[in-house]
Amino acid sequence: SQTIHQWPATLVQPVGSPLSLECTVEGTSNPNLYWYRQAAGRGLQLLFYSVGIGQISSEVPQNLSASRPQDRQFILSSKKLLLSDSGFYLCAWSASGSGEQFFGPGTRLTVL
Amino acid sequence: KNQVEQSPQSLIILEGKNCTLQCNYTVSPFSNLRWYKQDTGRGPVSLTIMTFSENTKSNGRYTATLDADTKQSSLHITASQLSDSASYICVVSTGTYKYIFGTGTRLKVLA
Repeated sequence: SQTIHQWPATLVQPVGSPLSLECTVEGTSNPNLYWYRQAAGRGLQLLFYSVGIGQISSEVPQNLSASRPQDRQFILSSKKLLLSDSGFYLCAWSASGSGEQFFGPGTRLTVL
Repeated sequence: KNQVEQSPQSLIILEGKNCTLQCNYTVSPFSNLRWYKQDTGRGPVSLTIMTFSENTKSNGRYTATLDADTKQSSLHITASQLSDSASYICVVSTGTYKYIFGTGTRLKVLA
């Protein structure tokens, strides 16, 4: 069966520090991968999606970047965090462009 | 602009009661509509999926309906349980890696 992992579960970082969140998927090949951010009281906002290794699409201009160095690994990064980067970050995968998305457990990021 | 709106924002009901959550969408093109359940601090989990030609879909005590003409969907929960306390999110897919999420309805079931 397929599983999706995210780490860390929680993170507290100072403004201006770098960020690296990792997501890995097991039990499937060539998944579509997504990074979302969920602010309190708001819907999930798509940050990036990837349909293959090295292929990254960005939905909104921002302080963050994403990379997919391996088929089942998706990394969210920032060189310098802003206060506005705080939120709940979710990684997800799907088998197709309209199929069911399976979400990871999420990372709660607090930037102070 | 693609948009998914849900109502009510929050709802409190007693255990054993039924409730209905609403979702209105303006999304084009439309591929399918899903309802997700999200427990606090966790990732969402899919409950049902409906395509354009489907009017109703059930998953245990959860029944979703879709009216493609009026672009409305509802999620009916029967005989609520304490474990139903969560946020319920309506998501519409455009079919091209774009999923439009509603802000969710926060449901609390009281004993």
